[in-house]
This record gives sequence, C-alpha cells and structure tokens, in this order.
Amino acid sequence: EDQVTQSPEALRLQEGESSSLNCSYTVSGLRGLFWYRQDPGKGPEFLFTLYSAGEEKEKERLKATLTKKESFLHITAPKPEDSATYLCAVFNTPLVFGKGTRLSVIA
Amino acid sequence: NAGVTQTPKFRVLKTGQSMTLLCAQDMNHEYMYWYRQDPGMGLRLIHYSVGEGTTAKGEVPDGYNVSRLKKQNFLLGLESAAPSQTSVYFCASSYSRLEPQHFGDGTRLSIL
Repeated sequence: EDQVTQSPEALRLQEGESSSLNCSYTVSGLRGLFWYRQDPGKGPEFLFTLYSAGEEKEKERLKATLTKKESFLHITAPKPEDSATYLCAVFNTPLVFGKGTRLSVIA
Repeated sequence: NAGVTQTPKFRVLKTGQSMTLLCAQDMNHEYMYWYRQDPGMGLRLIHYSVGEGTTAKGEVPDGYNVSRLKKQNFLLGLESAAPSQTSVYFCASSYSRLEPQHFGDGTRLSIL
C-alpha cells in the first residue's frame, strides 16, 4: 500500500531561522511528487512538482528536493507570512497525500 | 477567472437529511475530484471523474454519490447524512492525471 509520511507534524521557527520539512514515501514506481501550501480556511495551493530523484525546484524562500525515498522542503530565512500547513502528495491513481506539517514562523 | 468554486461554503444538516455540494471549474479541466479533510487524517479522496459523464470511487466513497453531467461541474451528494460525515469537503480539478490539482476553498459541513 502506498504511504506518505510527513515530519515533523508541527514546527515553530523564529523569523530568519532556516529549516527543512520532510516527506517520506513508499510508492512503487514514483511518477511524481507535489508540494502544496494550505492556509487556514483555504484550499491547498500548488507549489512544486518533482518527477525524478535529484530534481530541485525553487520559489522565493522555498526549495524542494527529491530522492528515491523522500522529499525535503527547505525554507530559508522564513518570514511570518510563510506560516501555513505544507502538504506533500505522491502521484498514484490519483494522489496520495501526507497529513502535513504545520509551520509557524514567529517575528 | 475564478478557478474552482464550491457552493455552499458552510452548511449545517440534521442526521438523515440529504444535500448536494456543487463544484464548478472554469479552466476546461478534464479531471475533477472530491476530497474530505478531517483533523489527523489528511486529505482523503471520495470520488473522482476523468471526464464528462464518468465517475470513479476513491478511498472513502461510502455514503456519497457523484455526477458529472457537464464538464465544468462535479456534484457530490449525501443521500442520508450521518454525523461521521461532518468534515471539510474540497473539490479539485486538473488537466490530466500528472498535472497539479487546483483546489477550491472548501465546504464546511456539520451534521448534528
């Protein structure tokens, strides 16, 4: 059975304190992995797609990387507006979502 | 360009009542999905559609029915609501299976 595990469940950072979120998966024949951001009371918002091990994508303070067993979302010098829940999902028929990491960035 | 629009945004039902949640997308996407999101459970797929007139079961389909009569609309029905169906329901759409899904802002449903 395909599984996606995100860690930690919650993370509290000071503004400017860089860190990483982890998404580990057990999927036979990974076709793709997505990262989403979800703000309270809103639907998930697409951030990145990664298709193969070694691939990296960047957007502002966020950088997503992919290995054969896990993906990382690196947050560099975060700001309070980066506070949200970050979800990863691996491609299957259709997607299998992790439970998310709740990120709080304190000014 | 509204993207994915869900109606209603909030609803309270009594056990045994029925209702329909409406999802509309204006991106000409072929694929549409209904999820429910519960604390500690993450997003779980209820039903999905790969094109007009088609539907398929997801991970948690029991107690729900869907219809895709028009390409831009995907309806989720609860025939006899139960308290276990209290949740936040999200609709999403995508061009294809490998393309990112675009989500609406959800319907918060409480069943008493």
